[in-house]
Amino acid sequence: NAGVMQNPRHLVRRRGQEARLRCSPMKGHSHVYWYRQLPEEGLKFMVYLQKENIIDESGMPKERFSAEFPKEGPSILRIQQVVRGDSAAYFCASSTTGDTEAFFGQGTRLTVV
Amino acid sequence: DQQVKQNSPSLSVQEGRISILNCDYTNSMFDYFLWYKKYPAEGPTFLISISSIKDKNEDGRFTVFLNKSAKHLSLHIVPSQPGDSAVYFCAASPKAAGNKLTFGGGTRVLVKP
Repeated sequence: NAGVMQNPRHLVRRRGQEARLRCSPMKGHSHVYWYRQLPEEGLKFMVYLQKENIIDESGMPKERFSAEFPKEGPSILRIQQVVRGDSAAYFCASSTTGDTEAFFGQGTRLTVV
Repeated sequence: DQQVKQNSPSLSVQEGRISILNCDYTNSMFDYFLWYKKYPAEGPTFLISISSIKDKNEDGRFTVFLNKSAKHLSLHIVPSQPGDSAVYFCAASPKAAGNKLTFGGGTRVLVKP
């Protein structure tokens, strides 16, 4: 049973470009969470999704960021018109239900140049 | 507003001795607490958790203590091993919020052989 898979592991984007981060949850998991870790800080909650639904997006910046978890395929975190401050590690976690243990992926390290 | 704080950014301990990591929180709604371990370039790995109805939970070499009145929890690792060298994150949530976790800033532990 593969763990939570995130790709790419590393992503370099120029300012103004779009970044698309993918997360395939563990088999049987229908709940996905995205977290962001800025350098030398802890992880910060961004968004919680279930299949085809956004449950809680209270941690998402109001502009340029969006997330989806379609019926088929991975969850996508999309950042439009990236800026240097978006440089961070983005982690995805998944769980079977909303209150069972969540397992984290290895993260995508986004660098904006 | 840091609702979960780990005031020691780093800790160095001799192999075989006890490692004690501390965590303070401010949000009275938090009733579920977790510790995660993180190696460089990997995602956080769940270590141990505790519910607010308990004051202690033990799993092998790891014990978590919760002092609700002080809003303080600690993680004891005994005996410490070189493989325990990693960054440890304290996290908390209201149980009803499930995996919407608030993380501390982390403590980097170095276990010297």
